[in-house]
Amino acid sequence: DIQMTQSPSTLSANVGDKVTLTCRASQSIRSWLAWYQQKPGKAPHLLMYKASILESGVPSRFSGSGSGTEFTLTISSLQPGDFATYYCQQYNIYPWTFGQGTKVEIK
Amino acid sequence: EVRLVESGGGLVQPGGSLRLSCAASGFTLNSYEMNWVRQAPGKGLEWISNISSSGVNTYYAESVKGRFTISRDNAKNSVYLEMNSLRVEDTAVYYCATGMYFRHWGQGTLVTVSS
Repeated sequence: DIQMTQSPSTLSANVGDKVTLTCRASQSIRSWLAWYQQKPGKAPHLLMYKASILESGVPSRFSGSGSGTEFTLTISSLQPGDFATYYCQQYNIYPWTFGQGTKVEIK
Repeated sequence: EVRLVESGGGLVQPGGSLRLSCAASGFTLNSYEMNWVRQAPGKGLEWISNISSSGVNTYYAESVKGRFTISRDNAKNSVYLEMNSLRVEDTAVYYCATGMYFRHWGQGTLVTVSS
C-alpha cells in the first residue's frame, strides 16, 4: 500500500498568514493527489485534485503543487473559515489512501 | 443539487451484520464510480471500498476485505455496503462519496460496534 505522510500534524497560525502543508507519498503517485478540508462534525470538502487543479467554488487563496512523491497545499492568506483539518489522498493505485491529516489551528 | 444520503447505521454487537445504503439525488448515479470512506471517532479518514459505474469492478481496503461487500442499484440510484463479522474497530462514521477524488459526500452514518 502507498503510505501518505502529512506534515506538520498541527500548525498554529494567525489570520492573514501564509501557510504551507506538505504531503509525501511512499512511492510515486504521479499527480493523482487530492486535498480535502474537514471541519468538526462535517463531511470533508474537496479543495484540489490532480495535485494542482482547484475545485470549482474553492477560493483562489488555496493552491496546490507537486508531483511524484512530494506535494504541498498553500493557503496564501489564512481566513477564519480556514481553521480546520486538511487531508491529502492518493488515487493512483488501490487501495486509495489518505494522509493522517494536518490540523490548522488559531495561534 | 447533488445530494447523497447515507442510512442504516446503528449499534451492533461484535460479530454482527449491518447494511448501509447511500441514496443519490440530483445526478445520475450510473455515471459515477462510488466509494465508502469511514472515520473512527477522533481519527482520520480511511477509504474502504470502491465500485465502478457499471458495478462490474469492486475494490476493498485490506481491513475490510472478505467481510464487507459493496454493491449498487443504478435503477434505484443507490449504493450499498453489506458489513459482516463486525469488529469493535469498525466503529466509525461511514460516508459514501463519488468518483476517484471525492467531489460529493453524504453527511455520514454512525456505526457503533459494541457489546
